[in-house]
Amino acid sequence: AQKITQTQPGMFVQEKEAVTLDCTYDTSDPSYGLFWYKQPSSGEMIFLIYQGSYDQQNATEGRYSLNFQKARKSANLVISASQLGDSAMYFCAMRGTFSGGYNKLIFGAGTRLAVHP
Amino acid sequence: EAGVAQSPRYKIIEKRQSVAFWCNPISGHATLYWYQQILGQGPKLLIQFQNNGVVDDSQLPKDRFSAERLKGVDSTLKIQPAKLEDSAVYLCASSWTSGRSTDTQYFGPGTRLTVL
Repeated sequence: AQKITQTQPGMFVQEKEAVTLDCTYDTSDPSYGLFWYKQPSSGEMIFLIYQGSYDQQNATEGRYSLNFQKARKSANLVISASQLGDSAMYFCAMRGTFSGGYNKLIFGAGTRLAVHP
Repeated sequence: EAGVAQSPRYKIIEKRQSVAFWCNPISGHATLYWYQQILGQGPKLLIQFQNNGVVDDSQLPKDRFSAERLKGVDSTLKIQPAKLEDSAVYLCASSWTSGRSTDTQYFGPGTRLTVL
């Protein structure tokens, strides 16, 4: 069965430092996509970064990068130079041709990141 | 470009009452999703539409939940009658298509439902 695991319920980081949020996944599909979303206290899910299963290079988007290790089935999010506004819940999600090809998005339980000044 | 719109943002009802949520996706997005997010958990897909047809409602509690997307644009999710365990944030998302694993889903601000 497809599954996303985020083992860190909460993380703390000092402002301007880098932080890594862990995500492991399980799927038998050869083609899948991995996503990270940010959810501030306002509730909206904000798309951050995407990595395709066939992509050779790790994805980067500004201060966000995805450390994709396919053999280990991990897709960790790295935030460089943390800012106070990065404090939020972060969700890892996977999408593939599950359950008849409908491209479901399956989410992990999330990691709450707190950035301290 | 306008994002996904949802209303209301907050709703408080008593158990056994009915409630409806509205969603307007990003213009041109063929696929629309409704998710339920219980406090402390990640979102869970309830129903997925491709244009005005349902492609996945396997996790929708059909005895009390219903959803429609009549003209292939905006959508309504209804709960009747509501139970205490329906207290959650209901998120609407949209994407261009559902045919590729690369399609990114964009989310609305959500509706926070409290059932007393």
